[in-house]
Amino acid sequence: EPEVTQTPSHQVTQMGQEVILRCVPISNHLYFYWYRQILGQKVEFLVSFYNNEISEKSEIFDDQFSVERPDGSNFTLKIRSTKLEDSAMYFCASSERVRDSAFGPGTRLTVL
Amino acid sequence: AQKVTQAQTEISVVEKEDVTLDCVYETRDTTYYLFWYKQPPSGELVFLIRRNSFDEQNEISGRYSWNFQKSTSSFNFTITASQVVDSAVYFCALSDTGGYSGGGADGLTFGKGTHLIIQP
Repeated sequence: EPEVTQTPSHQVTQMGQEVILRCVPISNHLYFYWYRQILGQKVEFLVSFYNNEISEKSEIFDDQFSVERPDGSNFTLKIRSTKLEDSAMYFCASSERVRDSAFGPGTRLTVL
Repeated sequence: AQKVTQAQTEISVVEKEDVTLDCVYETRDTTYYLFWYKQPPSGELVFLIRRNSFDEQNEISGRYSWNFQKSTSSFNFTITASQVVDSAVYFCALSDTGGYSGGGADGLTFGKGTHLIIQP
């Protein structure tokens, strides 16, 4: 069964550095999402992406964040200048139809 | 704005007991979707069920069952004859049409989760 993949599984970075988290959605899916989960807390929606543009974004998704679909397979989340509070698990999700999301295994980001 | 409340932070039961996880939601939309996800200690999110607002039939899948009641805005999840492998954090989530673009790619709003501990 096809699944969403994410790399790396764990990323450690220094505060102020840029990070790019990568996702490969399921190939025939049209909608792409990023979510964040700070340790021990709930999963929070960051952004959705459809037809090569942002469809919806939350208050968390400020100017430090950006998303891109650089080619036909990858979907990336960039954090320009990481802060300590960006430490979290980041989940990518994709869906063929609206609201039918499959989640990836997550990337654990640790900002030191 | 939508909201999902899971009032039970942690539940601990002994194996083989039945357990119900509560979920109460708020939305202004008449069309919406409700979900349950399981997050085992390994961290991934495992999809359990999706239910749309027009389908109030209860659903049973093996030891799992869901009770959707629009009158009380609740979508509760029951595990019958619990097993140690059911130990996880369970999240209830809501998706409505509240996205600003109206394009339909709306994100899920999750509850805070219920940590279920099944003791042997």
